[in-house]
Amino acid sequence: QVQLQESGPGLVKPSQTLSLTCTVSGDSIRSGDYYWSWVRQHPGKGLEWIGYIYHSGSTNFNPSLKSRLTMSVDTSKNQFSLRLTSVTAADTAVYYCAREDHTVISVFESWGQGALVTVSS
Amino acid sequence: DIQMAQSPSSVSASVGDRVTITCRASQRISSWVAWYQQKPGKAPKLLIYAASTLQGGVPSRFSGSGSGTDFTLTIDSLQPEDFATYYCQQANSFPWTFGQGTNVEVK
Repeated sequence: QVQLQESGPGLVKPSQTLSLTCTVSGDSIRSGDYYWSWVRQHPGKGLEWIGYIYHSGSTNFNPSLKSRLTMSVDTSKNQFSLRLTSVTAADTAVYYCAREDHTVISVFESWGQGALVTVSS
Repeated sequence: DIQMAQSPSSVSASVGDRVTITCRASQRISSWVAWYQQKPGKAPKLLIYAASTLQGGVPSRFSGSGSGTDFTLTIDSLQPEDFATYYCQQANSFPWTFGQGTNVEVK
């Protein structure tokens, strides 16, 4: 059974860069069967899809974040990462990594436990 | 972006009740809808995809229906573990978007 685990700083200063890594176990990113996504949830609010990366490195981002967003994948470590630049308080959220399945429709069928990132000086 | 309007935002129910949650898309999205359950402090869990297909391991008291713009999640005979927040998600066009959530709370 696949497991995903987010890691990274829980506190980031305004204008700096938010960086998170998701480590995948129980599945190989290299297999190419899935896409690897990030979803965030502002405190007490709903869910926002950030974007995904494929094992090849191809990406698809939410246009609302695209100008500040980078994703990368390290198949040797079975990890994928998120970098969001120029953060503000509006980027304070729980960040989830998820495995995205496109077999029938695009759904997030496995999730990490989430990582709270607070943007504050 | 496609907007997903969920209603109600909150519903009070008792164990054994039937609960119905609706999601209306801002444009036609065929059957490209999924439903998730989220409990406090936990990640969402996929319940239903393609509007009506139950994800493996999900109890049969959960069901989904709809196509086009109007979709429904029904929980028959609500169980104690079903008190949670439920979200719809459209997978018709990027960016994927979610409804604002429906909190199913104890009456």
